[in-house]
Amino acid sequence: GESVGLHLPTLSVQEGDNSIINCAYSNSASDYFIWYKQESGKGPQFIIDIRSNMDKRQGQRVTVLLNKTVKHLSLQIAATQPGDSAVYFCAEIDSGGYQKVTFGIGTKLQVIP
Amino acid sequence: NAGVTQTPKFQVLKTGQSMTLQCAQDMNHEYMSWYRQDPGMGLRLIHYSVGAGITDQGEVPNGYNVSRSTTEDFPLRLLSAAPSQTSVYFCASQTGFRQPQHFGDGTRLSIL
Repeated sequence: GESVGLHLPTLSVQEGDNSIINCAYSNSASDYFIWYKQESGKGPQFIIDIRSNMDKRQGQRVTVLLNKTVKHLSLQIAATQPGDSAVYFCAEIDSGGYQKVTFGIGTKLQVIP
Repeated sequence: NAGVTQTPKFQVLKTGQSMTLQCAQDMNHEYMSWYRQDPGMGLRLIHYSVGAGITDQGEVPNGYNVSRSTTEDFPLRLLSAAPSQTSVYFCASQTGFRQPQHFGDGTRLSIL
């Protein structure tokens, strides 16, 4: 959303290219991860999730990769479209508590037509 | 199916005023949460509820109150507004423990 536009890393990609958005997490006890998309003026929208017993999960045009060794998560968007322009952020959920959710700041994806 | 509805969308308050941000969901979700979103920071949890009559504090609860009298509604009250509470507030609901959250479109609040 526009309120978190300041200081956000930005990724610019050409329409039709693939996009890769990265997220580093810090909590070794996190075992569930979610990617959200936030369009300007809107609330976050669920894209895809992955649990720590998996390394990869695919959805429609999106793939999430999880590397627990280096605490890294990535979101791959295939054939990026103008409608993909938004802020993307990851959320990590601690295995121990109901709402121990930590949200990343996000990456702004700009699709160049 | 409206999902999560937040009102108002925009609000300007003076320091010291009080107000209630409304949140309603029509998905029969037990779990609801309030977050604030500030520039350069991830969403931060203010309060949450795991069912009607049950609420608990999150990461940044000071200056805010909540109640949950019904499954559908989860209002957030600012007791005495301060400029530090200028933010975008999001309400979210989820089906259960450790599930993706459904967010409303936010309330943009400015405290002068």
